Order: sequence, then structure tokens, then C-alpha cells
Amino acid sequence: AQSVTQPDIHITVSEGASLELRCNYSYGATPYLFWYVQSPGQGLQLLLKYFSGDTLVQGIKGFEAEFKRSQSSFNLRKPSVHWSDAAEYFCATDSGGGADGLTFGKGTHLIIQP
Amino acid sequence: GAGVSQTPSNKVTEKGKYVELRCDPISGHTALYWYRQSLGQGPEFLIYFQGTGAADDSGLPNDRFFAVRPEGSVSTLKIQRTERGDSAVYLCASSLFLYTEAFFGQGTRLTVV
Repeated sequence: AQSVTQPDIHITVSEGASLELRCNYSYGATPYLFWYVQSPGQGLQLLLKYFSGDTLVQGIKGFEAEFKRSQSSFNLRKPSVHWSDAAEYFCATDSGGGADGLTFGKGTHLIIQP
Repeated sequence: GAGVSQTPSNKVTEKGKYVELRCDPISGHTALYWYRQSLGQGPEFLIYFQGTGAADDSGLPNDRFFAVRPEGSVSTLKIQRTERGDSAVYLCASSLFLYTEAFFGQGTRLTVV
């Protein structure tokens, strides 16, 4: 069965600093990979997705992620965080391209220091 | 509104009672998903509809949980004989077609006391 691991429960970053959130997946074939953000009182919002092709994908709000098959990773990055980026971030995978259920990681809570 | 709407936003019920949670997907979206998110966890897949039929209900935890989508639009998640362990945020999502981006509602927070 597919699984997703987000090793960091909490991450604290200073405003303006760079950010990297880690995600490792377990799946035999090439997975479909997603990053979602969940802010308090808001629904989950898709930041970016990887299906195939270029392993560096660009998303909304200045985020990007890189698929590395050799490391089974799909880490999320942002060069300079803003206070509004404080939220819960979830990595997810799907074997079928989104048709059936996504498997989510437990999430990483991002705290932004002024 | 143009987004996925879930009602109620909060529901408190007594152990053993029956509850219904409603999801209004984005108009025209054919696929609809239900997830459950417990405190400190990521969402867990429950069931997926393509049109009116449940294409995959493998995530439903037991036979107390049931969901319908009779006209291929609004869906209702039904929980019988609720237990304290059912307390969670229930999320609904919809997508236009298969393999397209899923949009999530804000969820229904269910508390069983």
C-alpha cells in the first residue's frame, strides 16, 4: 500500500528566510504527488502537483517542489517565506492520478517568526 | 458561492445517535470525495463517487458509515450509532472529471459526546 511520510511535525522559519518541507513516499510505480496547504478555518488548497515530465514543478504562492525518484522524495520549497505562509502543509500521493482517494501524510505545521 | 459547501460546519451529537453530513460540490463536478481528518492527522480517504455511484468505498471504517449521492450532485454522509471515536473533521472534495484537481470544502467538525 502506498504511504507518505512527513518527518517534521513542526517547522519554525523566520520571515524572509527560505523553506524546505520534506516528504517521502512509498509506492512501487511512479506516483502522482501533491502538496496541499490548510490554513485555520480554510479548506485544503492545492499548491502544486507532479504527474510526469519535468521533475521540478512550480506551484501557486511562489512554492515549488522537486521529485527525486532515487530518494523517494517530493520536498516543497520556497525561497522567501511570508507571515501569511503560516499554515499546515500536507503531502499526498495517488496511484491513479486523482480518480480515487489520496493518501495524505500527517502534515507539517509551519510557524513563521517575525 | 462557487466552492464546495459543507453543512453543518459544526455538529455535536450524543453517543449512539444518528447524524447526516451534507456536501454540495461545485456545480458540474462529476467526482465527489469524502475524507475524515482526526486531530493531528492528515485526511483519510473514505469514499469516492463518480456520478451517482460509489466508485470506491474502501475507506469507510465499518458498516455504520454510509454515503449517498442520488442525483449525482449533493452527497450525504450518514453515520449510525455514533461513537466517541467518530469525532473528527469530515471533509468533502469535488473535481470536474477524473484526474483533475480536487477542490475541498471547509469541513464539518463532528463531536460525539
